[in-house]
Amino acid sequence: GAGVSQSPSNKVTEKGKDVELRCDPISGHTALYWYRQSLGQGLEFLIYFQGNSAPDKSGLPSDRFSAERTGGSVSTLTIQRTQQEDSAVYLCASSLGGAGPIYEQYFGPGTRLTVT
Amino acid sequence: SQQGEEDPQALSIQEGENATMNCSYKTSINNLQWYRQNSGRGLVHLILIRSNEREKHSGRLRVTLDTSKKSSSLLITASRAADTASYFCATGIGYSTLTFGKGTMLLVSP
Repeated sequence: GAGVSQSPSNKVTEKGKDVELRCDPISGHTALYWYRQSLGQGLEFLIYFQGNSAPDKSGLPSDRFSAERTGGSVSTLTIQRTQQEDSAVYLCASSLGGAGPIYEQYFGPGTRLTVT
Repeated sequence: SQQGEEDPQALSIQEGENATMNCSYKTSINNLQWYRQNSGRGLVHLILIRSNEREKHSGRLRVTLDTSKKSSSLLITASRAADTASYFCATGIGYSTLTFGKGTMLLVSP
């Protein structure tokens, strides 16, 4: 079956511009996560959606970052007024959610963002 | 701060040898997961071990968990060149997010 897809795969933008990154999770997965990975680093949690509950935004690094999930499926991560330190690979993951221990997460291929 | 920290940061071995990577964490968890990341397949889940389990096997992978020492190890037996990748441990706290370490880079030479 189809996995998690992300678009675009690469994005180069000028400092100060806004960017939107898209994630299509696996059908039926109620949980969706956004992470950021800088070169040679681990994954930094950004935001988590679970069903219709209010998202966990505790990982967003600043108010320039926001995300929404429409219809419990597709998610968009928006970065306003991009800065060079925003350059990273942005990874989306989905999993079966629910009131239980964490399930394994299925990751998309990522969007490589370069801010010049 | 990182919840999980992998050790070593980098490991280089020959094909056929075993590779052992360790992960230490700070707070109580309800499960620990290992993931692999390479350029070809992105980030892929390998194995999940729950806090009440001590050892788990999957193919050539063996994971142990010692909650008293807050540590886990991943053993890859009879390594292959295709095992070359970065390996991350991720800890699950509560019922929401995972916290990932910085990873161990494994290089398996033919």
